[in-house]
Amino acid sequence: AQTVTQSQPEMSVQEAETVTLSCTYDTSESDYYLFWYKQPPSRQMILVIRQEAYKQQNATENRFSVNFQKAAKSFSLKISDSQLGDAAMYFCAYMSGWGAQKLVFGQGTRLTINP
Amino acid sequence: DGGITQSPKYLFRKEGQNVTLSCEQNLNHDAMYWYRQDPGQGLRLIYYSQIVNDFQKGDIAEGYSVSREKKESFPLTVTSAQKNPTAFYLCASSTDGTNYGYTFGSGTRLTVV
Repeated sequence: AQTVTQSQPEMSVQEAETVTLSCTYDTSESDYYLFWYKQPPSRQMILVIRQEAYKQQNATENRFSVNFQKAAKSFSLKISDSQLGDAAMYFCAYMSGWGAQKLVFGQGTRLTINP
Repeated sequence: DGGITQSPKYLFRKEGQNVTLSCEQNLNHDAMYWYRQDPGQGLRLIYYSQIVNDFQKGDIAEGYSVSREKKESFPLTVTSAQKNPTAFYLCASSTDGTNYGYTFGSGTRLTVV
């Protein structure tokens, strides 16, 4: 079974600075997808970014980018120019490219933005 | 606007009672999912359904039951067999075969009193 590990329960960053959240995963599959979700205090889950395993190019969405290291099974999220609205729980998640589209989540990282 | 509606937002249950959480979507999505969220454990899959009248157990199905009689609806029943039901429950849906991730509802907070 696939597993996802987020080793940083909490992180903090100064407003306007850059922060990187770590994620590692374990799988024997070659076709899969990786996601970062944001859960603000409202608890609404919001998709931040998606990466396809067969694409070497790292995904980018405005201030959010990933560092996808397939051989190392690492998928970190970089947030540039951090804003107060970025404060949230961040979850890394894995989806197999085969069969049912089940998302496997990591434990989450709580990000605090210091003004 | 299309989306997923979970109700109620807060739910209180006495020990020994069954309770049903509602999840409705108007996105025309084929697949629907139920997750449980506890502090420090992320989201864990309870049940999922890829098509009407069919559903499968997830990682923590014991003490829960579901039905999928309509494409739009995927209610979750928390039975008295669930020993620790106090948690935040999230429903989600997706278009089968696209691997674009899920659309989530806003969740239901269940508390046993």
